[in-house]
Amino acid sequence: DTAVSQTPKYLVTQMGNDKSIKCEQNLGHDTMYWYKQDSKKFLKIMFSYNNKELIINETVPNRFSPKSPDKAHLNLHINSLELGDSAVYFCASSRLAGGVHEQYFGPGTRLTVT
Amino acid sequence: DAKTTQPNSMESNEEEPVHLPCNHSTISGTDYIHWYRQLPSQGPEYVIHGLTSNVNNRMASLAIAEDRKSSTLILHRATLRDAAVYYCILVRGGGADGLTFGKGTHLIIQP
Repeated sequence: DTAVSQTPKYLVTQMGNDKSIKCEQNLGHDTMYWYKQDSKKFLKIMFSYNNKELIINETVPNRFSPKSPDKAHLNLHINSLELGDSAVYFCASSRLAGGVHEQYFGPGTRLTVT
Repeated sequence: DAKTTQPNSMESNEEEPVHLPCNHSTISGTDYIHWYRQLPSQGPEYVIHGLTSNVNNRMASLAIAEDRKSSTLILHRATLRDAAVYYCILVRGGGADGLTFGKGTHLIIQP
């Protein structure tokens, strides 16, 4: 069984569209995250979500919004897509937040905005 | 946030041990030392983490200096599958703000 899964694996869309990426973890973890890896392979935290507390990286545009229907899911909604949003997006989870706990990552969603 | 410094790249031979260094001179008392790796076209993968004592698991060993200002990830017998970018990351004990990735070390394994 896949521990952290993401759909879709690839997403190609046009500028201005709104899209969502889904993430599910079957590990029973309480904390989930979204990361962005740009074309230079630099990985950056976007959000962490722990017990309904959302911590947002201040550099993330408000066009990006995470939504958690339940503890096992953290979806990423992106409005008014821009060329610069093209990247690979990774979801991750950990049992709890903090340095004691390791994170498990999904396989990534490659978003291409044309 | 406390930062880490790693060599940009390292090269090793298959079936030999690999020692990947990391400097973190501004580490605070509550920071855990985490190591992750990213194989080509995959998501990051947890390797090991520790606070003060050396740690071993099935993937690797983590040696932490007594003053905690540096650490070394040890792969005991490298295989071609270990070729990846390795990231040394400090994570606050009580924090919930995710992992701050640097550039990492690109490990090249020669057959």
